Amino acid sequence: AQSVSQHNHHVILSEAASLELGCNYSYGGTVNLFWYVQYPGQHLQLLLKYFSGDPLVKGIKGFEAEFIKSKFSFNLRKPSVQWSDTAEYFCAVSGLMEYGNKLVFGAGTILRVKS
Amino acid sequence: NAGVTQTPKFQVLKTGQSMTLQCAQDMNHEYMSWYRQDPGMGLRLIHYSVGAGITDQGEVPNGYNVSRSTTEDFPLRLLSAAPSQTSVYFCASSFRFSGELFFGEGSRLTVL
Repeated sequence: AQSVSQHNHHVILSEAASLELGCNYSYGGTVNLFWYVQYPGQHLQLLLKYFSGDPLVKGIKGFEAEFIKSKFSFNLRKPSVQWSDTAEYFCAVSGLMEYGNKLVFGAGTILRVKS
Repeated sequence: NAGVTQTPKFQVLKTGQSMTLQCAQDMNHEYMSWYRQDPGMGLRLIHYSVGAGITDQGEVPNGYNVSRSTTEDFPLRLLSAAPSQTSVYFCASSFRFSGELFFGEGSRLTVL
């Protein structure tokens, strides 16, 4: 079974539209959660992370994500996207008890922002 | 600092040939890993290492070998390439494993 599920494989938005990308994971224990971004032709870089504490985390470039433990979710949001946000976004989870020293990725969501 | 350096960036192989993808980091990271990225499948872990002399398998280790003789280097070997190994390969590292990884720029491999 997929450990990390991303709901949408392709999303197309116009500039200034709001963005929400869904991510669910299947492990009920303690986890660390991440969103990575891959801009066209570039390597992956960390967008934001959740280890503990405030479930609403803020990352670079105006992105934020909310950890909802009861829903096993870690959705990514941005109030107003820009053309430069066009990229592929990956949700990932690590958890020592379930995954050991492994980071497990979702299948990714390709976001295209129309100017 | 160069970060995580992968070579080569592009490679074309014929079925059955062998090759090594090189990965080096200059950040004194203990943890290093190799992923492959395929469309619609995200990144899948091939092998990882938590320190020199220690390696372990990830989700898709078949057809790949690794070794970690130094902290800096973590080469990935394909002993007999198959078309199913056509992919983009990423090396990633971190000081200690937490999930916050630094990625290399990737190596695009095509097996004919």
